[in-house]
Amino acid sequence: SQQGEEDPQALSIQEGENATMNCSYKTSINNLQWYRQNSGRGLVHLILIRSNEREKHSGRLRVTLDTSKKSSSLLITASRAADTASYFCATPVGAGSYQLTFGKGTKLSVIP
Amino acid sequence: DGGITQSPKYLFRKEGQNVTLSCEQNLNHDAMYWYRQDPGQGLRLIYYSQIVNDFQKGDIAEGYSVSREKKESFPLTVTSAQKNPTAFYLCASSPVGGSYEQYFGPGTRLTVT
Repeated sequence: SQQGEEDPQALSIQEGENATMNCSYKTSINNLQWYRQNSGRGLVHLILIRSNEREKHSGRLRVTLDTSKKSSSLLITASRAADTASYFCATPVGAGSYQLTFGKGTKLSVIP
Repeated sequence: DGGITQSPKYLFRKEGQNVTLSCEQNLNHDAMYWYRQDPGQGLRLIYYSQIVNDFQKGDIAEGYSVSREKKESFPLTVTSAQKNPTAFYLCASSPVGGSYEQYFGPGTRLTVT
């Protein structure tokens, strides 16, 4: 059962531009995570934001969470060609659960 | 180096054969997971285990089986009953009682013809 859905499905930008991806989910959560996947590889955890946080930063990444709208956004600033990958949001299946559901992802292409 | 290993990276099998995918972790994580990923799709949970000798079905367990005899190992068998086994399989682990973050292996691409 998928809870998170990313938007857009694909995004193509020039190097140096900012990239914004959105995630919507259906039920109440205590945290939301973003992962990155390079083509043909495993996923890598990027950032976790808890339900009592509104914004979180990690390097060039900025994540926001709006629990009233059940949505999150991932902003990558000053994008690089190496940021080309698919990005997934993941939410717990239930309260306190370690089991995650993943969206279908946003495929980001950064053109040098 | 700590991490999760999956082997092999590519696997080819004939239809009707069972095949076992290996997943090993040395992160001392209690929980382990198997996901299936089809082209352009997200991850779907096949099985997960939060403790040795115990595991639960995920959303798409039919045609798959697992075992968890050791904390470090969580092999997945794709049986001949799985109708569309060709896919990219990802194994992950996570600590229980702490971070919710999952750590992923590099994946095994299984092709059944």
